[in-house]
Amino acid sequence: NAGVTQTPKFRVLKTGQSMTLLCAQDMNHEYMYWYRQDPGMGLRLIHYSVGEGTTAKGEVPDGYNVSRLKKQNFLLGLESAAPSQTSVYFCASSSEISGANVLTFGAGSRLTVL
Amino acid sequence: GQNIDQPTEMTATEGAIVQINCTYQTSGFNGLFWYQQHAGEAPTFLSYNVLDGLEEKGRFSSFLSRSKGYSYLLLKELQMKDSASYLCAALDSNYQLIWGAGTKLIIKP
Repeated sequence: NAGVTQTPKFRVLKTGQSMTLLCAQDMNHEYMYWYRQDPGMGLRLIHYSVGEGTTAKGEVPDGYNVSRLKKQNFLLGLESAAPSQTSVYFCASSSEISGANVLTFGAGSRLTVL
Repeated sequence: GQNIDQPTEMTATEGAIVQINCTYQTSGFNGLFWYQQHAGEAPTFLSYNVLDGLEEKGRFSSFLSRSKGYSYLLLKELQMKDSASYLCAALDSNYQLIWGAGTKLIIKP
């Protein structure tokens, strides 16, 4: 049981380049999330999805786009990368959004923008 | 605004007990989570409290006081593998998780 898989694990970009982070889960979870984690700060929600074909903005959505064409996949795109987007990105999924919505996280993707 | 406060770093000795505190201010409240995150790895779920009181799960226990906006994670019989960051997160009235910056726990032999 793979759980939540993120690719790539590491990436270095130049300012202005674009890229897509892929998240795949095999637990049939309805809800999926993209977070970023920066030193000295809590996890911050970028975008999330409550089901196939739906997306919603989180706390820090600017500069990012997402798509959930299939239930098991949630893609995070950076159209024009900026140094401020240097971070560790975590994808997570859960079976519910209320109450004890335990998140299962992927291993993280470390992105550096030069 | 919404806010979670927890100590940045704590040090404890192998075999001892440590308590990691968390205070929260949120718009509404639907529960308090603790996650463990080893360096370079993903956070993993430890506990969830929604009612006042203590929840015990092996060497780890979590306490909640809703009236005080306060929780703690208690780790007993510390082992070297417990060296990690511990993340406190509160679920607000919109079922959004508000995360603390994490407490880095250093275990010394």
